[in-house]
Amino acid sequence: EIVLTQSPATLSLSPGERATLSCRASQSVSRFLGWFQQKPGRAPRLLIYDASNRASGIPARFSGSGSETDFTLTISSLEPEDFAVYYCQHRSNWPPSITFGQGTRLEIK
Amino acid sequence: QVQLVESGGGVVQPGRSLRVSCAASGFTFSNFGMHWVRQAPGKGLEWVAIIWFDGNNKHYADSVKGRFTVSRDNSKNTLYLQMNSLRADDTAVYFCARETRSDISGYYLEYWGQGTLVTVSS
Repeated sequence: EIVLTQSPATLSLSPGERATLSCRASQSVSRFLGWFQQKPGRAPRLLIYDASNRASGIPARFSGSGSETDFTLTISSLEPEDFAVYYCQHRSNWPPSITFGQGTRLEIK
Repeated sequence: QVQLVESGGGVVQPGRSLRVSCAASGFTFSNFGMHWVRQAPGKGLEWVAIIWFDGNNKHYADSVKGRFTVSRDNSKNTLYLQMNSLRADDTAVYFCARETRSDISGYYLEYWGQGTLVTVSS
């Protein structure tokens, strides 16, 4: 079973700053890694798929990189609406299942 | 536009059963695999179950295996989760989600419902 470990658990930054979030897989997941944003009381929203592709409607300030076991989500210049919890996700082919990281809370400093 | 609307949540006693539903619209429901994901209060996301587009394959998280059953009615564009022998640690918001296959055959939960709260308490 693949385990996804996110770091840091909490990231305190100010609007306009650059955010760098990490997700490490316990074994190679190739490029099959997604990133989600979740705000309180809302469903998660897909930001990035296949490690580096932005989902439909996602602003260009969000970018993803990495492969195999190490992945990064970067927000180039934080907007007030970006403060939320972020999760990475991998879907195994067999047995089919989904693994989420434990989340990184991005809070206003 | 794609819409997923869950219903059926509520308060249920430990050991009892509950069925939650997810009504889909805005896409060809019978073409897509569907998932249930839950989130306990103040906690992270936990995958619960997947059902193939045609309903012929289903898989579950170990935490619910043998107690929960996922099903779908493609004629009604509806996904179900039958939850039996409920425990306090099943208390969570239950989301349904549609998976999308990428160009390189990765699978991601592109669309989500708003969730329905299930509280297991005496």
